[in-house]
Order: sequence, then C-alpha cells, then structure tokens
Amino acid sequence: KQEVTQIPAALSVPEGENLVLNCSFTDSAIYNLQWFRQDPGKGLTSLLLIQSSQREQTSGRLNASLDKSSGRSTLYIAASQPGDSATYLCAVRLGNQGGKLIFGQGTELSVKP
Amino acid sequence: GAGVSQTPSNKVTEKGKYVELRCDPISGHTALYWYRQSLGQGPEFLIYFQGTGAADDSGLPNDRFFAVRPEGSVSTLKIQRTERGDSAVYLCASSLNWFRASSEDTQYFGPGTRLTVL
Repeated sequence: KQEVTQIPAALSVPEGENLVLNCSFTDSAIYNLQWFRQDPGKGLTSLLLIQSSQREQTSGRLNASLDKSSGRSTLYIAASQPGDSATYLCAVRLGNQGGKLIFGQGTELSVKP
Repeated sequence: GAGVSQTPSNKVTEKGKYVELRCDPISGHTALYWYRQSLGQGPEFLIYFQGTGAADDSGLPNDRFFAVRPEGSVSTLKIQRTERGDSAVYLCASSLNWFRASSEDTQYFGPGTRLTVL
C-alpha cells in the first residue's frame, strides 16, 4: 500500500530564507508526483507536476525534484515571502490505479516578516 | 475561465440526516474526483469518474456514501444517515484526462464543502 509522508509537519522561517520541504513515498511505481498549496479554508492549488520520467520541474521561485528510486521528492522555495505562508501538500499518482492521488499530511509553512 | 465550483460551501446537519454535495467541474474536463479532508490531514481519495461512469470507487468508506455524474459534467456526492465521523471538508477536483502523461493530468480543485454533523 502506497504511503506518503511529509516532513516537517510545520515550519517557521524568517522572510528571505531559502527552504526545502520533503516528501517520501513507499512505492516507487508512481505515474507522477504533484505539489499543491492550500490556504486556510480554501481548496488546493497545483504548483508543480513531475512526470515519472522527469527529475525536476521549476516555476518561478519554486523547484521540485523527484528521485523515484529512493522514493523522495523535495520542494525548494527560494527567497521566501510572507505570502508563501500556507500548507504544502505532495501527492502521488500510481501507474496502475487510474487518476486517484494519494496525499501526504502536508507541511504548514509560516514565513515571518 | 471558471474553475471548479462546489455547493454549498458549508453544510450543517444533524446525525442521521441525508445530505447532497454538488460539484461543477471545469468545462470540458472528462475526469472528476472526490476527496475528503479531515482537520490536519491531507485529502483522502473517495471516488473518481471518467465521463459518466465511476472508474474507481474504492475510497468510499461504506455504503452510506454514493456519487453520481449522470451527464458527464456535474457530480453529486450523497451521504445517507450521516454520522458525526462524516464531518470533514469534501473536495472535488477535475482534470482534462487522467490517462494522458502530460499537463492534462493536472487535477484542479474546488474550494470544498465543509460538512458538520451535529
């Protein structure tokens, strides 16, 4: 059974810091991995999607990497801003189970001005 | 264009009552998903549709839960005889295609319906 774990559960950093969020998964037979952002009381916003054949994706100050063999992904946020404060969720899609996503429990990020 | 919309945004009901939660996906998206999110947890898969048919309903917790998508667009999640443990945020998502290895696979989420069972 695929399990997705995110560490740390919560993180507080001063504005301007570069930071890394971690995601690990137990079954390496994934189809893709997606990082989401969730603001309090809101739905999820897709940040980056990495296909199983890719190693990384970049969007602005965000960079996500994927290492299937070790079952890990990282989300790197450069020059953090207070507006980055939110919960970040990673989710994997398995190759043989259609489109459903299996989520980690999230990392709650707080960026202090 | 318009994103995924869900109604109602909040629903308070009493134990034992029946509720319906509605999802309007992005126009043209063939795949539609339902997830449930408890406080402090990531979303948990319930069911997904490809077109009108339920392609995978393995996440539905028991037979009190049922979902339909009769015309391949709007979907309704139905919960019978609600229990306090059903309280959660119910999220709906849609994607252009689930079987294409491309950005069309990206799931777009609605704001959710917060269900509270008293």
